[in-house]
Amino acid sequence: QKEVEQDPGPLSVPEGAIVSLNCTYSNSAFQYFMWYRQYSRKGPELLMYTYSSGNKEDGRFTAQVDKSSKYISLFIRDSQPSDSATYLCAMKGIQGAQKLVFGQGTRLTINP
Amino acid sequence: DVKVTQSSRYLVKRTGEKVFLECVQDMDHENMFWYRQDPGLGLRLIYFSYDVKMKEKGDIPEGYSVSREKKERFSLILESASTNQTSMYLCASSRTGWKTGELFFGEGSRLTVL
Repeated sequence: QKEVEQDPGPLSVPEGAIVSLNCTYSNSAFQYFMWYRQYSRKGPELLMYTYSSGNKEDGRFTAQVDKSSKYISLFIRDSQPSDSATYLCAMKGIQGAQKLVFGQGTRLTINP
Repeated sequence: DVKVTQSSRYLVKRTGEKVFLECVQDMDHENMFWYRQDPGLGLRLIYFSYDVKMKEKGDIPEGYSVSREKKERFSLILESASTNQTSMYLCASSRTGWKTGELFFGEGSRLTVL
């Protein structure tokens, strides 16, 4: 079993829809949770960053962490065609310095 | 803006060739990483480095080596390329202790081994 599981999709939704992307994990030591966005033929870039449990909102994006269920989510409101990308969850514990564990990535397409 | 530059975007090599992938970052970051990205497998860590001349194995180091002679440069070496090393290779850097875990990625080097 992988430490981090993410449905690879692909996921296709109409413009304006609310998108929900999710990851589950097995390592209870994870404390830092991130979402990276990767456009086609580009490297990933950090989109959202959360420490421990709770919610974080940034414009149309909301990241949620439920450590009791070992489950993290990214919500995109009023989705736009420019949101079409692969979204990767990533996480790490306090130990192991900068080493991140990534999910497989979910390919998302927003249709105009 | 942080910039991580990978010297080659696309490479085609033959089985058994030695391959060098170069990565340079311009923000004085302590940490540098090499990942490979494959469909369905996500990003897998090959090697990383916390300092000049320092290297540590990641999750899949077999068949690879690295070199970090200067702080800004981290090279990935495939001593004898094989077809199963056909992949997208991503270099990343980060600063120790600042927004721990935030990586800055290059645009990737797509390697095909024939």
